[in-house]
Amino acid sequence: DIQMTQSPTSLSASVGDRVTITCRASQSISSYLNWYQQKPGKAPKFLIYAASSLQSGVPSRFSGSGSGTDFTLTISSLQPEDFATYYCQQSYSAPWTFGQGTKVEIK
Amino acid sequence: QLQLQESGPGLVKPAETLSLTCTVSGGSISTSSYYWGWIRQPPGKGLEWIGSIYYSGSTYYNPSLKSRVTISVDTSENQFSLKLTSVTAADTAVYYCARLGYMTTAKYYFDSWGQGTLVTVSS
Repeated sequence: DIQMTQSPTSLSASVGDRVTITCRASQSISSYLNWYQQKPGKAPKFLIYAASSLQSGVPSRFSGSGSGTDFTLTISSLQPEDFATYYCQQSYSAPWTFGQGTKVEIK
Repeated sequence: QLQLQESGPGLVKPAETLSLTCTVSGGSISTSSYYWGWIRQPPGKGLEWIGSIYYSGSTYYNPSLKSRVTISVDTSENQFSLKLTSVTAADTAVYYCARLGYMTTAKYYFDSWGQGTLVTVSS
């Protein structure tokens, strides 16, 4: 199985801050990397596919980059509704695996 | 708008079988472009893909659970179901059903999710 490791596990930030979350794969996954946002008590929401393509309706302050084994999710200007846990997921090969999550908290 | 809704018992005894159904509305489960799947999340932990099914009945499972999992589809009811046998406390989790889309550039992605249902394994 491909292991996905996110860092940091959690971070504290203020509204308006630029936030970057890193996801590393245990082997090269090309650009087959998706990102999700999950708020407490809710299902994950699909944000980004193919490492850098925004799902329809996702605000442009979200962006993704990377290929191979190293990927980043960036929120350019953190908004109150962005406080949540973010997960990466590789779609290179089954079993599809997720990172352990990064919790973005209010400073 | 596509909606998915999980249903089934919230409490299952150890060694018994967990059974859940996902009802799809606002779209057909028989759409050729999509698979349908189950993902679970133990309390306070991350996400684990359990398995997926195509409307034709073709399945693929996470090898870590394969010996205990069966996913089936009922196109007439626009539903798909999960059975997990010989459950233990480690199977306590929120279980989500989801649609699995495919694009050449992205391969597979989970683009629509049910709200999730908590299943507790306890005597």
